[in-house]
Amino acid sequence: DQQVKQNSPSLSVQEGRISILNCDYTNSMFDYFLWYKKYPAEGPTFLISISSIKDKNEDGRFTVFLNKSAKHLSLHIVPSQPGDSAVYFCAASEAGNQFYFGTGTSLTVIP
Amino acid sequence: EPEVTQTPSHQVTQMGQEVILRCVPISNHLYFYWYRQILGQKVEFLVSFYNNEISEKSEIFDDQFSVERPDGSNFTLKIRSTKLEDSAMYFCASGHRFATNEKLFFGSGTQLSVL
Repeated sequence: DQQVKQNSPSLSVQEGRISILNCDYTNSMFDYFLWYKKYPAEGPTFLISISSIKDKNEDGRFTVFLNKSAKHLSLHIVPSQPGDSAVYFCAASEAGNQFYFGTGTSLTVIP
Repeated sequence: EPEVTQTPSHQVTQMGQEVILRCVPISNHLYFYWYRQILGQKVEFLVSFYNNEISEKSEIFDDQFSVERPDGSNFTLKIRSTKLEDSAMYFCASGHRFATNEKLFFGSGTQLSVL
């Protein structure tokens, strides 16, 4: 069962523009969500998180939005930079239990 | 910045052989995890470990898999008799505490290829 879904396997964006990566989940009990970034031959690295009591969390160029009624979260990167090119995974957990990951979205930022 | 280290980075083995994947979690972390990612698929949870015992495991983590913390620093994943479908990137992760707002720190992975 796919509890966390990233329906766009890839995304290309021009440098300086906004990148929007989307994630949907099915379990309404999820209360903590994270985005990880992964470069080739490296492990996922934590990027930004949000708990279910919030609908927005911002950290520099990265903002995560959570829409609990739609069971949807998104990651906005503004402005996008070539170094942002990577695979982005969203992950969700319930009450500190295991994290469920999406299949990832490969972002390419074109200079 | 402290990091999770995994060895080896690549492991090639014959089907039916035993493999041990090694991980050194961040030193003050108490919770340890193994995940894997089959090429082109999602990152999948295998097992979590705390206080020298498994706290949660997935359906993937059957009797062929075991984990161990043999000393104060290493955390290992053993696959007793590897199958072709075990070929994947295996990630070790650790966390400081078991809490709702905890994030995990991942190692760079071991690419296991079963021939």
